[in-house]
Amino acid sequence: GENVEQHPSTLSVQEGDSAVIKCTYSDSASNYFPWYKQELGKGPQLIIDIRSNVGEKKDQRIAVTLNKTAKHFSLHITETQPEDSAVYFCAASLENAGNMLTFGGGTRLMVKP
Amino acid sequence: EPEVTQTPSHQVTQMGQEVILRCVPISNHLYFYWYRQILGQKVEFLVSFYNNEISEKSEIFDDQFSVERPDGSNFTLKIRSTKLEDSAMYFCASRWDLAGSNTGELFFGEGSRLTVL
Repeated sequence: GENVEQHPSTLSVQEGDSAVIKCTYSDSASNYFPWYKQELGKGPQLIIDIRSNVGEKKDQRIAVTLNKTAKHFSLHITETQPEDSAVYFCAASLENAGNMLTFGGGTRLMVKP
Repeated sequence: EPEVTQTPSHQVTQMGQEVILRCVPISNHLYFYWYRQILGQKVEFLVSFYNNEISEKSEIFDDQFSVERPDGSNFTLKIRSTKLEDSAMYFCASRWDLAGSNTGELFFGEGSRLTVL
């Protein structure tokens, strides 16, 4: 089955700096890669996703890149703000398998004001 | 904004007891899921449910577990005889069926924390 590894497990940045979180996956058939943000006491919330037919996607300060050959994808947050502090999860799935997501281990991002 | 709601937020139970975790998915969603997260570990898929039946389940989802959609709004996870290792945060999620495909965002609830003593 699919295995997703995520690094780093914790990341501390200064407000205004960029943050990068990286994930690798094992199943080359996976074609859907969402990123979730989880704030304290809340459930995971989708912030951006990418499908395997594109290499990059951007939404304001957030971007995701995908390298299918190397089987890795990354989340980039620019101009970080204290409210970006949360746990971020990457995930992978085969979309026609009903969105059965395999999650990475999570990255705790701390943005220091 | 519509949201997935879960109850209880926290349940403490004795080993061997039955537990039912409840979820109210977003009203026009058709696919329902349970995931769990043991403290310090990854979020793991348990089961997906569509058209009143299980569509996928993981190895974790053994005979101890069952799911049900008893009415038009609730989606429940039952653990028949809890074990210590069932202690975890359980997340319900739902999504709608985008034009009959399997795409679409998963919306997660805030989770139910189960503690088995």
